[in-house]
Amino acid sequence: SQTIHQWPATLVQPVGSPLSLECTVEGTSNPNLYWYRQAAGRGLQLLFYSVGIGQISSEVPQNLSASRPQDRQFILSSKKLLLSDSGFYLCAWTGGPGETQYFGPGTRLLVL
Amino acid sequence: AQTVTQSQPEMSVQEAETVTLSCTYDTSESDYYLFWYKQPPSRQMILVIRQEAYKQQNATENRFSVNFQKAAKSFSLKISDSQLGDAAMHFCAYSFNFGNEKLTFGTGTRLTIIP
Repeated sequence: SQTIHQWPATLVQPVGSPLSLECTVEGTSNPNLYWYRQAAGRGLQLLFYSVGIGQISSEVPQNLSASRPQDRQFILSSKKLLLSDSGFYLCAWTGGPGETQYFGPGTRLLVL
Repeated sequence: AQTVTQSQPEMSVQEAETVTLSCTYDTSESDYYLFWYKQPPSRQMILVIRQEAYKQQNATENRFSVNFQKAAKSFSLKISDSQLGDAAMHFCAYSFNFGNEKLTFGTGTRLTIIP
């Protein structure tokens, strides 16, 4: 069966510091991968998605970037965090067209 | 652009009773998917049920069923025999079948179960 992992689970970072959040999927190949952000008490906002290695599409211009160095690895990064980057970050995957998205456990990021 | 609207920020229901959560969406596409996810306090997003737009039959999954009205662009979730474990934020989501399956979410409904 497929599983999706995210780490770290919780992260507290100072403003201006770099960020790297990692997401990996097991038990499948060539998944579509997604990064979402959820602000406190709000819905999910799609940040990036990837349909293959090295293919990244950005939905919202911002301080963040994403990379997909391996088939089942998706990384969310920032060179300098802002206070507004605080939130809950969720990674998700699908197996292909028409398939359901399944989510990882999420990373809670607090920028101070 | 597609939008998803959940007009009920909060709902409550007595345990074992039935509750219906509302969702409307806006799209010009004819082939798409609709989902209900729940997010308990752990914040893990968990799929509850999905509906393919090309299917006229409403999806059901045990205690969960939907009322899909394509012409009205309405997609409500009915939870029967409500249980304490149903207490969560419930999100309606839309996906256009274009190969990348991006999800557009509503703002959610917080469901409280009264023992």
